[in-house]
Amino acid sequence: GQNIDQPTEMTATEGAIVQINCTYQTSGFNGLFWYQQHAGEAPTFLSYNVLDGLEEKGRFSSFLSRSKGYSYLLLKELQMKDSASYLCAVLNSGGSNYKLTFGKGTLLTVNP
Amino acid sequence: GAVVSQHPSRVICKSGTSVKIECRSLDFQATTMFWYRQFPKQSLMLMATSNEGSKATYEQGVEKDKFLINHASLTLSTLTVTSAHPEDSSFYICSASPAVQGLAGADTQYFGPGTRLTVL
Repeated sequence: GQNIDQPTEMTATEGAIVQINCTYQTSGFNGLFWYQQHAGEAPTFLSYNVLDGLEEKGRFSSFLSRSKGYSYLLLKELQMKDSASYLCAVLNSGGSNYKLTFGKGTLLTVNP
Repeated sequence: GAVVSQHPSRVICKSGTSVKIECRSLDFQATTMFWYRQFPKQSLMLMATSNEGSKATYEQGVEKDKFLINHASLTLSTLTVTSAHPEDSSFYICSASPAVQGLAGADTQYFGPGTRLTVL
């Protein structure tokens, strides 16, 4: 089966940097996604990693180590609007289907 | 680009009735659509995967006769919750992908805004 772990909650200060970790155990790994989800809304795509290393996109960066089953999302220059849940999701292949398995999400609160 | 809509955004119904939720890809053809359910403070759980013109593939534990999925065109999929009960109250989210299931590669899934279902 799939197992995805990420911290339940984190708190940070406006302007700071925060790193949200995600560890996973899975078979048929085909990449890892990070999504942002505000309360009562659908997830929005942030990043996708399929190879080891760091992907940088503006204030957000995502890192993947496949050998360690580990990823992190790095948010720089935090803004109040970054307060949201951040979902780690692993894409697996099983037979002829690809599907996403989500972690429970990390609720980030950014304080002034 | 890559906009997915859902209708309705909120629905309240009586126990025993059926509810239909629509998911549309507005600016691309969605070969594959996914239906998820999210309970409060829980992760998104995949319910089923559907390819246009074929039967949906349901995840283990999801009753196919209760959650009817129709993916009749490349831009529309519907989820019908039949004989809804209070325990079916949840946030239902669809996503769409232009990728064909079974092919190599991992296209991003684009999510709809979700439908909040409350069964009284």
